[in-house]
This record gives sequence, structure tokens and C-alpha cells, in this order.
Amino acid sequence: GAVVSQHPSRVICKSGTSVKIECRSLDFQATTMFWYRQFPKQSLMLMATSNEGSKATYEQGVEKDKFLINHASLTLSTLTVTSAHPEDSSFYICSARESGLAGAGVFGPGTRLTVL
Amino acid sequence: AQSVTQLDSQVPVFEEAPVELRCNYSSSVSVYLFWYVQYPNQGLQLLLKYLSGSTLVKGINGFEAEFNKSQTSFHLRKPSVHISDSAEYFCAVRPSGNTPLVFGKGTRLSVIA
Repeated sequence: GAVVSQHPSRVICKSGTSVKIECRSLDFQATTMFWYRQFPKQSLMLMATSNEGSKATYEQGVEKDKFLINHASLTLSTLTVTSAHPEDSSFYICSARESGLAGAGVFGPGTRLTVL
Repeated sequence: AQSVTQLDSQVPVFEEAPVELRCNYSSSVSVYLFWYVQYPNQGLQLLLKYLSGSTLVKGINGFEAEFNKSQTSFHLRKPSVHISDSAEYFCAVRPSGNTPLVFGKGTRLSVIA
């Protein structure tokens, strides 16, 4: 079946540094990828929708200059948390979907970001 | 805007007992419905989905869900739970088209030996 990977699975960084998270669709082409964040014991909140070759669409309240999303190819989207602060510590999950399919898309295993 | 309500934040149940996790959604248009399970520090695993057709949907691990359009519900059921079913369960909905999922707040299922 379709698989989505995320790298790294865990990252710990100092406050003020930038962190890049990769989301890859391993055996299908993902025209659309979604980025979610999940705080402890809470649900997933959509951050942005990323379509290959175009700018990401951010949800209200999500700072586009802080959370940079790039979807340069049909199998890779990246989320860069710039100048990370402790409040950015969270579980970041991506989801990838093939064009035209009605399904949910496939979720990656998530990336745990801890900012000290 | 779409919304999903999971009425119970926590559901404790004894091993081998049946369980129902409730999910209601708000929508006046056709939607696709999903249930996911999340184990600690892991991503989401799709349990089952309703896209069209039969309103009773069978998924993995012995779970099933029934789509009830008149009640806008999509409750998840399992006739006999195991300890290994202890996890967080999320109901999600999305309208047709290339739109993202909207998740409920989740229900923590705790199976007691």
C-alpha cells in the first residue's frame, strides 16, 4: 500500500534555530500534501495545504513566515520551522494525497519537535 | 465550516466487552467520513472510511462503523475489545473534492483487564 515517510522522527533543538521536516510519498505521486500539528492530548489541527508547484495555503492563525512550506516535487514536501521557540514544540504530521482520489490520503508517522 | 464532535473524551471498558465511540458531524453536503487510531508517539492509522455505498463499513482490527445520514453520525463499534485496542481514536470528515480532513478532538479508549 501507499506509504508516507517523515524525517526526522524526532528532533531537539535550541531556541532560535530553524528546523526542516521532510514528508515523502514513497510509491505514489502526491499532488497535495497537508501539514498538521498536534499538541499533547489534543487533536490534529491543520496548518496548511500544499499543492505541488504552487504556494501553500495556510490556515487562519498560522504564520506563513514562521512555518515555511515547500512542495517542489510530487513526492516531497518540506516544513521549515524558522526561529523555533519552546511554544513550537509539538508533533507535526503530514498527509499526502494523489490527485483525483476520494480517500483520506496517507499520513506520515509524525515528527516530534522539542525546542529547548 | 465542517465540524466533528466526539462526544466522549475518554471511554473505559473492560476487556472482551463491546464498545461504541460516538462521532457526529455538521454538514449539509455529501461528505467522506473516516476513523483513525493513534498509539502513543505514533502517527495515524486508518481504521475505516465511508465514501459511498453501504452505510455499514467494516475496517481493520474488527472495528466497524455505521453512517447515519439523518442523524449525521458515524459511530465506531467493536463487539469485543482487547487490551491492545487501548489508544486514541479520531473521527474525521471532509467534503468531496480536494479538501483537507477536519478532525474531532479524539476519544481515548482504555481497555481494562
